[in-house]
Formats: sequence, structure tokens, C-alpha cells
Amino acid sequence: EVQLVESGGGLVQPGGSLRLSCVGSGFTFSNHWMTWIRQAPGKGLEWVASIKPGGSENYYVDSVKGRFTVSRDNAKNSLFVQMNSLRVEDTAVYYCARLAGSSSIFDYWGQGTLVTVSS
Amino acid sequence: DIQLTQSPSFLTASVGDRVAITCRASQGISDYLAWYQQKPGKAPKLLIHTASTLQSGVPSRFSGSGSGTEFTLTISYLQPEDFATYYCQQRHSYPITFGQGTRLEIK
Repeated sequence: EVQLVESGGGLVQPGGSLRLSCVGSGFTFSNHWMTWIRQAPGKGLEWVASIKPGGSENYYVDSVKGRFTVSRDNAKNSLFVQMNSLRVEDTAVYYCARLAGSSSIFDYWGQGTLVTVSS
Repeated sequence: DIQLTQSPSFLTASVGDRVAITCRASQGISDYLAWYQQKPGKAPKLLIHTASTLQSGVPSRFSGSGSGTEFTLTISYLQPEDFATYYCQQRHSYPITFGQGTRLEIK
């Protein structure tokens, strides 16, 4: 059974940093693109970033470029996002998701981790 | 960026009804469209990809159609567990974008 489990969320002040993690199991993690998607409270879904299986290629939404860095450790079946210079508008539940192949079809999702940016 | 506009944003229906949700793209995206269902407090679930391909395990009362700029998710014979929020998503080009969502509530 495919499982994705996020961790690392919490309360952080504006301008602060946080690192989220996602551990995958039940599939060959190193074969799949992975992604982060977020959802602000009461709002819709927003794609944040995606990373290639080998980690050499990644993509970001403009609003996080230069502040967020997505990475992975295939030996540990883990996906990360380092979030710096956090803003109030980054407050959201952050989901990691697996891509089916390289297709940007998000076929499995974690349960999400809440990041709250507030003073 | 490719904008996706869903209509309606809010829909009420009864068990047994047939409903349709439309997703319009700001430019042609071929068939690079997926539909997701999200229930309160839960992660989204993939229903349909490539405009009309039903994801494994999804009931056949869900169907998708369309190509280019206009797409439709149809749910025939609504069941109580179908009342949720539905999102379309394009994968034609980065940044990947989602529609604003359609909330389906029981009448």
C-alpha cells in the first residue's frame, strides 16, 4: 500500500524558516517525481514545487521561488522542502504527493501538515 | 500561467441526481486535465486523469470529457459519499494550476 507521511509543520513567525519532510512507503520512491501542494485555510489547492526522481530538476510556483527549496533523499525515501523568509500568506496545510510517472498527475497524497505563519 | 475556471462554484443536488461540473482553461491544454475529490479534513483523491481516464478503484458513475479549453466532470446517480469539493487541475505546462473548486452539497 502506497503511503506518504508528512511532518515538520508548526507555528513560525514571519521571516522565519521551517523544513517539512515526507516519507514514502509501499512503492519505489526513487522512480517517481514528487511534489508539494498547499491549501490555505478555507481555500483551494495551490501547487508549490515538483522534483525529478534523481533530484536534478525541479520546478516552483513563482510566489515561493528564491524562498523555498525542494530536495529529496532517495536512500531514505524522503522528500523535503526548506521554507525560508516565511510570510503570513504561506500559512496552509502542505501536502506531499506522488506523481504518476512524469505526468504531473498526483495519484497519491499524504495527510498534510499545517504550517502557520503568525506573530 | 494557465487559469482554470470551474462552474458552478457551489452546487446543491439530491441523492440519485446526475450533475455536471465544467472546467474552462484560459488556453488550450489538449487533454492534460485531471479531476480530484476532496472531503473536509482529508487529502484530495484523484478521480480522473487525461480528461477522461478513470483512476483505478473510482466508481464508474464518475466520468470526464472534453479537450482543448472545455472539460466536464459528470457524476451520474449521486451517492451520499459524493458530496464533497471537486477540483480540476492542468498539467499542460508549469506552473501547474488548479481550478477554484466546486462544492457539491446535499439538497
